[in-house]
Order: sequence, then C-alpha cells, then structure tokens
Amino acid sequence: SQQGEEDPQALSIQEGENATMNCSYKTSINNLQWYRQNSGRGLVHLILIRSNEREKHSGRLRVTLDTSKKSSSLLITASRAADTASYFCATDVGSARQLTFGSGTQLTVLP
Amino acid sequence: EAQVTQNPRYLITVTGKKLTVTCSQNMNHEYMSWYRQDPGLGLRQIYYSMNVEVTDKGDVPEGYKVSRKEKRNFPLILESPSPNQTSLYFCASSTQNYEQYFGPGTRLTVT
Repeated sequence: SQQGEEDPQALSIQEGENATMNCSYKTSINNLQWYRQNSGRGLVHLILIRSNEREKHSGRLRVTLDTSKKSSSLLITASRAADTASYFCATDVGSARQLTFGSGTQLTVLP
Repeated sequence: EAQVTQNPRYLITVTGKKLTVTCSQNMNHEYMSWYRQDPGLGLRQIYYSMNVEVTDKGDVPEGYKVSRKEKRNFPLILESPSPNQTSLYFCASSTQNYEQYFGPGTRLTVT
C-alpha cells in the first residue's frame, strides 16, 4: 500500500530557481526519507528526518516535517540541470525497517 | 567500494521459465529487500529480510520467492514468470539507521 504521496507529480523550473516537492502520508511514522532516481537507475538516498525533528539541511537540500499534518517538503535551492530526476519520499512506519515509497515527483531543471 | 550488485541487468524470458535474479551487498548489512517499479505505481516492496534465514512478505509477494542463506546475498526467484511480472526490479540493503542502498536495477520482460 502507498503511504506517501508526492505533489506535484511533475515540476519544471529554470536553472537557478528553487524546487519544492511535498509528501503527504497517512499513518504515524518513525522517520521519513527522500530519495532521488535518475532515469531507470537505482535510487540514491538524500536525507532522513526523524519523527521528532522538524527541519534538516544537507548542502542545497532542506527538508521539513510536520507530523501534525502528516506532511514533509523537500526544497532544492539554486537548482542545476543535473538535479533533473525523480524524487521519492519513503516512510518507515514499523519496527521491521520496512519502507513504503510514494509515486514520486519528476523534476526537470531547464538550462 | 560499498555497493549492491544485481544480475542480470536485463532479462527477456518466456512465460513459465523459472528465473533467478541475484543480489549481493558488501556492506555487512542485516536488512535487505526487493522492490518492483512500475510506471505510475512507484516502488512496491516484494519481500524483505531482517537477517539470515529471516524473510517476510512485502506488499506484492505473489509469484515471487526469496531466500537468505548468507548475509550478503538475497536472490529473487520467479518460479513461473508471467507477463504481469514484467517490471524494473531493485534490490536494496539497509544500514542500522534505515538508509537504504539500492542496486542498479534489473529490467525484466516476460513474453
């Protein structure tokens, strides 16, 4: 079952602009992660935010988590053409370390 | 180099012909899992394993088998493949802090 849903499904921006993607989920979580996937390739872990954290930074990435709204956002600042990829949120809801992925946001950064 | 490897990367087969997709990780991770990725459906978990000889069903286990006889290997077995198992398959292993490392993917076509 899909726990996370990303919004928007697709996003197209100019290089240098910021990109914001949102993720909503249904049940309480232990943590939420964001992954990136270049076309047809394996997913790459970007950042993990725990349920007791509200914001986390990693380079040009900023993730927020609002557990009361069951939502998270991923902000990529000063985007580059190389950021073009699909971005997925994944939630960990139980003790089995089982991740449930959303359907992803396709980001296109135009040079 | 820390990595998850999958073989084969591409496979075209016929309905009913048993096949195995191998997965191996060199990071000494206890947790491993298999996902399938289909357009519009995101990643769905097939099976996961918390440790050697410990496996459990994910969201879409029908038609698949797994085994975990060694910590580093987690093969995915399709005893009698059908066309609806045509998909992109990913193996992943996980650290203690839940970050998942993905293999490069296996594109399977069943005719």
